[in-house]
Amino acid sequence: AQTVTQSQPEMSVQEAETVTLSCTYDTSESNYYLFWYKQPPSRQMILVIRQEAYKQQNATENRFSVNFQKAAKSFSLKISDSQLGDTAMYFCAFEETSGSRLTFGEGTQLTVNP
Amino acid sequence: DTGVSQNPRHKITKRGQNVTFRCDPISEHNRLYWYRQTLGQGPEFLTYFQNEAQLEKSRLLSDRFSAERPKGSFSTLEIQRTEQGDSAMYLCASSFGFMNTEAFFGQGTRLTVV
Repeated sequence: AQTVTQSQPEMSVQEAETVTLSCTYDTSESNYYLFWYKQPPSRQMILVIRQEAYKQQNATENRFSVNFQKAAKSFSLKISDSQLGDTAMYFCAFEETSGSRLTFGEGTQLTVNP
Repeated sequence: DTGVSQNPRHKITKRGQNVTFRCDPISEHNRLYWYRQTLGQGPEFLTYFQNEAQLEKSRLLSDRFSAERPKGSFSTLEIQRTEQGDSAMYLCASSFGFMNTEAFFGQGTRLTVV
């Protein structure tokens, strides 16, 4: 079974600075998908960024980028120029290529301070 | 289309009572997922449907839980004889396609069993 681990329960960053959230996972699959989802307080979870394991190039979406290290089974999220609206719980998630389910980590609560 | 809709948003019930939650996915999304999220944890997979067929159920889905998706449209999740351990946020998500496409989440139904 796949497992996803986020070792940072809470993090904080000053507005406009950069922060990196860590995620490691365990799988015997060679091809899979990785995601970062954001869950703002009392609002629905939304997709931040996604990475396909067979692609070596790290995904980027505006201020959000990932550092995908397949051999190390590591998938970190970097948020540049942090904004107050980035304050949320961030979840790392894994999905097999069969696409039947997402396996989530425990989450990292990010607070952006003014 | 306003996204994935879940009703009710909050439900308080007495132990032993039955409860039913409803999820209306985004139109034309053929896949529908149910997850359970307890406080401070990441969502855990419960079950998913492709159209009207329930293709996978987690071992977390005990005999007291049943889910349906008649005609491949909305879905209901029923919990019979509720227990205090059932208190959680129940999340619904939907996606279009057959694998690894973005899942869109609803705001969830928060269940409190007293």
